Amino acid sequence: EIVLTQSPATLSLSPGERATLSCRASQSVNNYLAWYQQKPGQAPRLLIYDASNRATGIPARFTGSGSGTDFTLTISSLEPEDFAVYYCHQRSMWPLPFGPGTKVDIK
Amino acid sequence: EVQLVESGGGLVQPGGSLRLSCAASGFTFTNHWMTWVRQAPGKGLEWVANMHPDGGVKSYLDSVKGRFTISRDNAKNSLYLQMDSLRAEDTARYYCVREYHSTSGGHYGDSWGQGTLVTVSS
Repeated sequence: EIVLTQSPATLSLSPGERATLSCRASQSVNNYLAWYQQKPGQAPRLLIYDASNRATGIPARFTGSGSGTDFTLTISSLEPEDFAVYYCHQRSMWPLPFGPGTKVDIK
Repeated sequence: EVQLVESGGGLVQPGGSLRLSCAASGFTFTNHWMTWVRQAPGKGLEWVANMHPDGGVKSYLDSVKGRFTISRDNAKNSLYLQMDSLRAEDTARYYCVREYHSTSGGHYGDSWGQGTLVTVSS
């Protein structure tokens, strides 16, 4: 069973700063990795799929990178609406776990 | 506009049953795998079950196998989750999710409903 770990658990930054979130898989996920954003009281939203492809309507400041077991979500310049929890998710092998999440909060 | 509207949640005693429904609109339902994802209060996300468009392939999280059944009615553009022998640890918000099939073969949840809350408690 693949296990996903995310770091850091919490990232405290100011608007305009760059955010770098990490997701590591216990074995290769063949780039079948997604990133989701979830704000309080809302459903998750797909940001990135296949490790590096932005979903429809996602701003260019969100970039996914990585391959195999190590992946990164970068937000180039944080906007006020970007403060949220971010989950990675692998779609390579059942049971399809999500990572535990990284909370990006305002410093 | 894609819409997914869940219903059927509520308070149920341990050992009880509930049937969740998801009404889909704004897209061709028969073109998509559909999925249930849950989130316990204050916790992370958990993929529960998913289903092929024709209903021929279904997959389940180990902890719900034999207790939960995913189904769909393509004529009604609806997805269902029959939940039996419910446990306290099944308490969560249950989201109906449409899957997007990428060109590389991956499946990703590209549209989510707002969820329906299931509480298992005596």
